[in-house]
Amino acid sequence: KAGVTQTPRYLIKTRGQQVTLSCSPISGHRSVSWYQQTPGQGLQFLFEYFSETQRNKGNFPGRFSGRQFSNSRSEMNVSTLELGDSALYLCASSLFGTEINEQFFGPGTRLTVL
Amino acid sequence: SQKIEQNSEALNIQEGKTATLTCNYTNYSPAYLQWYRQDPGRGPVFLLLIRENEKEKRKERLKVTFDTTLKQSLFHITASQPADSATYLCALDAGYSSASKIIFGSGTRLSIRP
Repeated sequence: KAGVTQTPRYLIKTRGQQVTLSCSPISGHRSVSWYQQTPGQGLQFLFEYFSETQRNKGNFPGRFSGRQFSNSRSEMNVSTLELGDSALYLCASSLFGTEINEQFFGPGTRLTVL
Repeated sequence: SQKIEQNSEALNIQEGKTATLTCNYTNYSPAYLQWYRQDPGRGPVFLLLIRENEKEKRKERLKVTFDTTLKQSLFHITASQPADSATYLCALDAGYSSASKIIFGSGTRLSIRP
């Protein structure tokens, strides 16, 4: 079974631009979560989607948004980029509705904001 | 507010010894506690999950304990090997029926020297 895929793997943007990251979950997984990972703050939850609906949201500004499509693929968007948005963005999928909420992570997208 | 702490940012252990990592939490009632391993440049990989009503869980050289009174989990790697060198993350999970998100600790970077 193919794992979680994320595109692109690396991205360089400048301040003020916007960016869209993509995540394809493991086949059959309907829940997709996004995380931001930085050396200083660790792994921080952004939001979770299930059946095209945002089920939960972390403490991030409105510049961070996401969506999920009917095939469970998900995108996240960051508008008006700031230097502090430079981070590794990780997507994780899980089999929602099972007792064990194991997260399967993708390799991440490394975003650098100049 | 909910808080999860991993006691050491970095831990150096000699090969063959037992590595013990600590995860403490406050203001949270997890149904499960999960442990992940993360290698540089890659997404975290699920290792073990322990339920709130379980005291101990083992998997090969790994052992996890969970004390809900102390609000603490210990993660042990016995007969440690240089290949065990990685960052280990603990994560609190309120269960799939809850709208609460999974919260990750900042991780402990474990180095096993030959």
